[in-house]
Amino acid sequence: DAKTTQPPSMDCAEGRAANLPCNHSTISGNEYVYWYRQIHSQGPQYIIHGLKNNETNEMASLIITEDRKSSTLILPHATLRDTAVYYCIVRVRTGANSKLTFGKGITLSVRP
Amino acid sequence: DTGVSQNPRHKITKRGQNVTFRCDPISEHNRLYWYRQTLGQGPEFLTYFQNEAQLEKSRLLSDRFSAERPKGSFSTLEIQRTEQGDSAMYLCASSFNFDGSGNTIYFGEGSWLTVV
Repeated sequence: DAKTTQPPSMDCAEGRAANLPCNHSTISGNEYVYWYRQIHSQGPQYIIHGLKNNETNEMASLIITEDRKSSTLILPHATLRDTAVYYCIVRVRTGANSKLTFGKGITLSVRP
Repeated sequence: DTGVSQNPRHKITKRGQNVTFRCDPISEHNRLYWYRQTLGQGPEFLTYFQNEAQLEKSRLLSDRFSAERPKGSFSTLEIQRTEQGDSAMYLCASSFNFDGSGNTIYFGEGSWLTVV
């Protein structure tokens, strides 16, 4: 799987949008971008994934650049409960090697 | 639909003892994964099953570790002769994989192991 690069940490104010960047410059055409988050002492929680189109669900929006070399996860109205480590992962969905490979992620701190 | 269930959630054991963790995946999920996570690190892949077949094992899975999924439903991860370095959170995850198309992987809440 292609590697991803994320800043180690960022913060945002409660109620504001949190924009979490991710670089994946070596992504292959059949690799999807997945985002998970992990709140302290809990298991990773799936947020959203996409291939090349922008995606939105009840939790977040995922913006993928046209060349697919980077993406941004947007939490539109961050709350204190969104404080967590966010992992950006690229993954093939077919075949045996479709497991998730985690990096260190980005720690998002939402301040009151 | 219930999520991935792991038991026990916390285990404290003495060095040299054996421990076993159980994972019940989401119903009808045919893939099951085990990961390990130490403090400050992201989860690390250990092994995964497609139904009852163990298809891949990481080099992290030493010969003291054994995972089984005998009927293609629940899975167990056993650690023999535990060492302090085995202290970690052990995560189980599952997904539905049909005709080679992988689906979203969902994680349980993890089982914390402390070896004293």
